[in-house]
Amino acid sequence: DADVTQTPRNRITKTGKRIMLECSQTKGHDRMYWYRQDPGLGLRLIYYSFDVKDINKGEISDGYSVSRQAQAKFSLSLESAIPNQTALYFCATSWGEDSEETQYFGPGTRLLVL
Amino acid sequence: SQQGEEDPQALSIQEGENATMNCSYKTSINNLQWYRQNSGRGLVHLILIRSNEREKHSGRLRVTLDTSKKSSSLLITASRAADTASYFCATDAATDSWGKLQFGAGTQVVVTP
Repeated sequence: DADVTQTPRNRITKTGKRIMLECSQTKGHDRMYWYRQDPGLGLRLIYYSFDVKDINKGEISDGYSVSRQAQAKFSLSLESAIPNQTALYFCATSWGEDSEETQYFGPGTRLLVL
Repeated sequence: SQQGEEDPQALSIQEGENATMNCSYKTSINNLQWYRQNSGRGLVHLILIRSNEREKHSGRLRVTLDTSKKSSSLLITASRAADTASYFCATDAATDSWGKLQFGAGTQVVVTP
């Protein structure tokens, strides 16, 4: 969905490096999420934010941190990348006022940690 | 741990046939949603069914929900090659933050011409 963009789309890094994945949205949504997808495991929630001042840990937050710089921007950082963080990362947004919490996904960032 | 589990893990059918996949979940829910993912791309929302609903339709999609069995099914009728994708169920658990979804591992559907 072009309304939710992620940069970079692909990234190769080395163990121990710090990297940042960025997500921007033009949908005007207040809620943003970061997921990782591994083969056979579906999506797992890393962090989520229900507004700029609200940051919450998800199911697998260890080794990750996030920053909600503005309503439209939500960044995910790997402070010291390790090989088992190799995965496909997705950002998603939703509208908190909508009782039907449909989430809108970005195109994903494919990360390889060597 | 994952809330939803899809069955089967993979499904191969021919164009024109129907495709049925199931989702089971563990805890009470506010709603259950189905998403589609084309290879390596972002997920796209297909349909949502609330906990007080039993069946919902959208085009060629039919979703059922049985809260007593904690299960849902997605039926795609008259499948097309373009329906080739992975399909995920996601639950909005009643015991968790409203709007926070838990996804299953998905069903990979291949539709051959």
